[in-house]
Amino acid sequence: DVKVTQSSRYLVKRTGEKVFLECVQDMDHENMFWYRQDPGLGLRLIYFSYDVKMKEKGDIPEGYSVSREKKERFSLILESASTNQTSMYLCASSIDRGSSPLHFGNGTRLTVT
Amino acid sequence: DAKTTQPNSMESNEEEPVHLPCNHSTISGTDYIHWYRQLPSQGPEYVIHGLTSNVNNRMASLAIAEDRKSSTLILHRATLRDAAVYYCILRDYYTGANSKLTFGKGITLSVRP
Repeated sequence: DVKVTQSSRYLVKRTGEKVFLECVQDMDHENMFWYRQDPGLGLRLIYFSYDVKMKEKGDIPEGYSVSREKKERFSLILESASTNQTSMYLCASSIDRGSSPLHFGNGTRLTVT
Repeated sequence: DAKTTQPNSMESNEEEPVHLPCNHSTISGTDYIHWYRQLPSQGPEYVIHGLTSNVNNRMASLAIAEDRKSSTLILHRATLRDAAVYYCILRDYYTGANSKLTFGKGITLSVRP
């Protein structure tokens, strides 16, 4: 089975801190995604990557950056965390093909105080 | 990007069939239709996908309209464990930089005992 692992289940950070959310997949997938999920807003795409060192903005990239130095790892970076970035963050990966499903991690619940 | 629209919520009785609709009127000829579900406190999980023909697997069936502008996820006998948020998304056959995937809010399915 594909495994997508997010480094932390719960995280509490202070306003202004630099925050790293890590995601690792073990199936050599080309595509990786970062979403955030908020009540009433569904899943919103922050960034995605279709290859090592390649990244594309999603629908809400402001305040975030990403890094994909190795194929299996996709990091989401909050340069200066703010309270409106308190959310559930979900990472997903997939083979680079339209018929291939996405595999999600269990999420990181980030609280910024 | 092609978008999907779904009702916000639906209710069902246990052991009865459930039909979850999805409209995708701007679907392109190369878009696959994917369905995912998200149980409480978990990341979304893949349910089923299709291109033109109806599809069946152990979890559900997918019925695709002849013009492909809508689809229906069918749970043949709802159980309490099927209470979840169900997402319908479109994924282009030609991925790579086109891999941007928008999920939206999904349908919240409630199952009555």
